[in-house]
Amino acid sequence: DTAVSQTPKYLVTQMGNDKSIKCEQNLGHDTMYWYKQDSKKFLKIMFSYNNKELIINETVPNRFSPKSPDKAHLNLHINSLELGDSAVYFCATDPKSGVAGARYNEQFFGPGTRLTVL
Amino acid sequence: RKEVEQDPGPFNVPEGATVAFNCTYSNSASQSFFWYRQDCRKEPKLLMSVYSSGNEDGRFTAQLNRASQYISLLIRDSKLSDSATYLCVVKGGLDSWGKFQFGAGTQVVVTP
Repeated sequence: DTAVSQTPKYLVTQMGNDKSIKCEQNLGHDTMYWYKQDSKKFLKIMFSYNNKELIINETVPNRFSPKSPDKAHLNLHINSLELGDSAVYFCATDPKSGVAGARYNEQFFGPGTRLTVL
Repeated sequence: RKEVEQDPGPFNVPEGATVAFNCTYSNSASQSFFWYRQDCRKEPKLLMSVYSSGNEDGRFTAQLNRASQYISLLIRDSKLSDSATYLCVVKGGLDSWGKFQFGAGTQVVVTP
């Protein structure tokens, strides 16, 4: 039973389209993240949600809009896709980032969504 | 300057040999340190946390040097299955919602 799952695994689309990526976790964790890993393999945080509340919002174009309908789900909608959006997008979770004792919380990653914008 | 910097490698290591590499971080307020492993086209997975006094997990040894702001990973008796990219991860700062900052990774290739 997959702990953190993402759909779709691969997404190929044209510039200008709008697409969504979904993430679901069955670990009961409070905190969920979206990361982008570009062609240089650099993994960069985009957003973080804790209990459906946005807590980290990096400098990401507002074409990217995360949504957390419940604690187990964090989706990412991207409007007006651009060539530079091509990357692998990883969802991740950890038990609870913001409490004492959370220093060594492990992050669990989903398998990634490989987005290619043509 | 990137917050977490790593030598990208590749480090080509004969099977059975020892390899070691470092990672430097810029935020002196960082609180937690990790090594993750990422195989080609897969998700990152935790290899080990790095504790202040250094720690060992089987053939893997991690060290933290707060004064010089670097962490290191040493792999003894390298196996072919150790071939991967090793990501240095630094977490935290003064706020409790410390972000995980990832390095770009060090590639290790273990050869027969």
